[in-house]
Amino acid sequence: EPEVTQTPSHQVTQMGQEVILRCVPISNHLYFYWYRQILGQKVEFLVSFYNNEISEKSEIFDDQFSVERPDGSNFTLKIRSTKLEDSAMYFCASSGAGARSYNEQFFGPGTRLTVL
Amino acid sequence: ELKVEQNPLFLSMQEGKNYTIYCNYSTTSDRLYWYRQDPGKSLESLFVLLSNGAVKQEGRLMASLDTKARLSTLHITAAVHDLSATYFCAGGDYGGSQGNLIFGKGTKLSVKP
Repeated sequence: EPEVTQTPSHQVTQMGQEVILRCVPISNHLYFYWYRQILGQKVEFLVSFYNNEISEKSEIFDDQFSVERPDGSNFTLKIRSTKLEDSAMYFCASSGAGARSYNEQFFGPGTRLTVL
Repeated sequence: ELKVEQNPLFLSMQEGKNYTIYCNYSTTSDRLYWYRQDPGKSLESLFVLLSNGAVKQEGRLMASLDTKARLSTLHITAAVHDLSATYFCAGGDYGGSQGNLIFGKGTKLSVKP
C-alpha cells in the first residue's frame, strides 16, 4: 500500500542552525501539507502546498520556514534558523484531492526535531 | 476560524466497558476525521465522515456526525487493551482553498485489564 515517507526520523541540531526535513508524498497525490506536534500537545497545521505554491499557511509558519518541491517526488520543509521552541515532531501529509472533494490526508511517520 | 474541542482529554477504562469520546466544532465543517496515534508514532486514519448523519463502524469503534449540532462522537464498545492510544478528531478548515485539518487536543485512552 502506498505511504508517505519522511527522513530523517530524528534530527538533532543546535539553535540557530538550518534544518531541512524531507518527505516523499504518495506518488499520485497533488496536495501536500506540513503539521507539527509539540510533545504531548495537539497536532498543528503549518502549511499546505499545491501546484508548486503555498495554498495556506498558519501563524506558526513565519519567515523562518519555507517549503519546496525540488523535484517530482520530494517535498521539503526548511527552517532557516532554528529556535528551541521549534523542537517538535513534524508530520508531512498528502492527499489526492483538495477542499472541494474527498480530502483524506495520509500522514508520514514524522521527523522528531530536537533543537539544543 | 474553525475550533475543535474534544472531551474527555484523558479516559481510563476497564476492558469490556463502553464509552464515548465527544468532538465539538465551532463553525460549519461538512466533514470530520478521526485519527489514532500510538506513542511516538504517526497518525492513522480511522474514519472520514462526510455528511450529516454519517455513521461508520470498524471493529469496536463507531463514529458518527451531526452537522446540525456540530458534534461528532467516537463510541468504543467492549474496550480491549489494544485500543489504548490517543484519538484525535479533526475538522476540515475550508475557509481556505485546500482544506487544512484543524485538530482537537486528543483523548488519551488507557484500557486496563
